[in-house]
Amino acid sequence: GQNIDQPTEMTATEGAIVQINCTYQTSGFNGLFWYQQHAGEAPTFLSYNVLDGLEEKGRFSSFLSRSKGYSYLLLKELQMKDSASYLCAVRPWAGSYQLTFGKGTKLSVIP
Amino acid sequence: DADVTQTPRNRITKTGKRIMLECSQTKGHDRMYWYRQDPGLGLRLIYYSFDVKDINKGEISDGYSVSRQAQAKFSLSLESAIPNQTALYFCATAAGGGNTEAFFGQGTRLTVV
Repeated sequence: GQNIDQPTEMTATEGAIVQINCTYQTSGFNGLFWYQQHAGEAPTFLSYNVLDGLEEKGRFSSFLSRSKGYSYLLLKELQMKDSASYLCAVRPWAGSYQLTFGKGTKLSVIP
Repeated sequence: DADVTQTPRNRITKTGKRIMLECSQTKGHDRMYWYRQDPGLGLRLIYYSFDVKDINKGEISDGYSVSRQAQAKFSLSLESAIPNQTALYFCATAAGGGNTEAFFGQGTRLTVV
């Protein structure tokens, strides 16, 4: 079976740092994706982790621990435009895009 | 112009009607996917295709059918629409092999009344 958990909602202050957690239990694993989705719009790719450790890309970083079935997305220097849903998704095998998505975390950034 | 284009963007249809959602891409990708998104349920895979001759069911294929008319076109049909098919539908494409990134269309908001 496939199970991906992430918090439903989070609120953070402009300029602050926020960490969005994702835990997964899936029958196969070949990578974890984070997507950003503004309301009513298409998901856009943020990051991909297949090996343990931290991947940094500007204000966004993503961490993976395969042994713990755990990932987090770290957003630094929050901006109002970061208000969006953040989707965690697991890829079951290499080259596939049959992703299993979590339900998403709605992040609200307040002044 | 968008790399992945979905038509229509919005549609209201009546229960029992047949409706087709279309997706076309200019990315040259082999792999195409249809997802639906419902509030509180996240994105769920309906069908996927790895090339013109390859069609596969996803997690929630019942009530849907697809056609891969060409490498660049992948359409989703609801043969007899029902209200619980009201959702936001996304088409996505990806290159084969180890390429990590997929591209989503802008979505089709479908309401079945």
